[in-house]
Amino acid sequence: SQQGEEDPQALSIQEGENATMNCSYKTSINNLQWYRQNSGRGLVHLILIRSNEREKHSGRLRVTLDTSKKSSSLLITASRAADTASYFCATGDSSYKLIFGSGTRLLVRP
Amino acid sequence: ETGVTQTPRHLVMGMTNKKSLKCEQHLGHNAMYWYKQSAKKPLELMFVYSLEERVENNSVPSRFSPECPNSSHLFLHLHTLQPEDSALYLCASSQPTGRGANVLTFGAGSRLTVL
Repeated sequence: SQQGEEDPQALSIQEGENATMNCSYKTSINNLQWYRQNSGRGLVHLILIRSNEREKHSGRLRVTLDTSKKSSSLLITASRAADTASYFCATGDSSYKLIFGSGTRLLVRP
Repeated sequence: ETGVTQTPRHLVMGMTNKKSLKCEQHLGHNAMYWYKQSAKKPLELMFVYSLEERVENNSVPSRFSPECPNSSHLFLHLHTLQPEDSALYLCASSQPTGRGANVLTFGAGSRLTVL
């Protein structure tokens, strides 16, 4: 069953602007992760935030987690054309299962 | 290169064929996964193996048969598939941290087309 749902489904911005993607989920989680996928390729892990954390940074990425609202956001600052990809959130519990959402397609225009 | 290698990258098969997808990881991980990615649908977890033992099987039709002969290799055997099985099949591996967080390393995927 689907756990995470990203919003918006598609986002088009100009290079240099910030991109914000949101993820909502339904059940309690141990951690939430964000992955990037370039067209037709495998997914690449970007960042993990645990359920007891509220915010995490990695380079130009900032992730927030609000467990009371069951939601997370991914902010990419100063976007580049190379950031064009699909971005997925994935929720994990204490098992091996990692459940992915439908993804946000980001287009960064040069 | 991510350290997870999938072959073949592209496969076209008829509904009566038998074929296999192969995945190999060189990361020393002890868990391996098969995911299915169809157009406009979320990634679907199919199978998980930990230390060569299947620990997850998400109600996948029996025409998909996984095999994990050792912790570095994972196969997905395909037989009598349907056109709706056409998709990108992604293999991944992980090294569980013991704190309940599995970070997956994915291969590039095998694009399957069933005619």
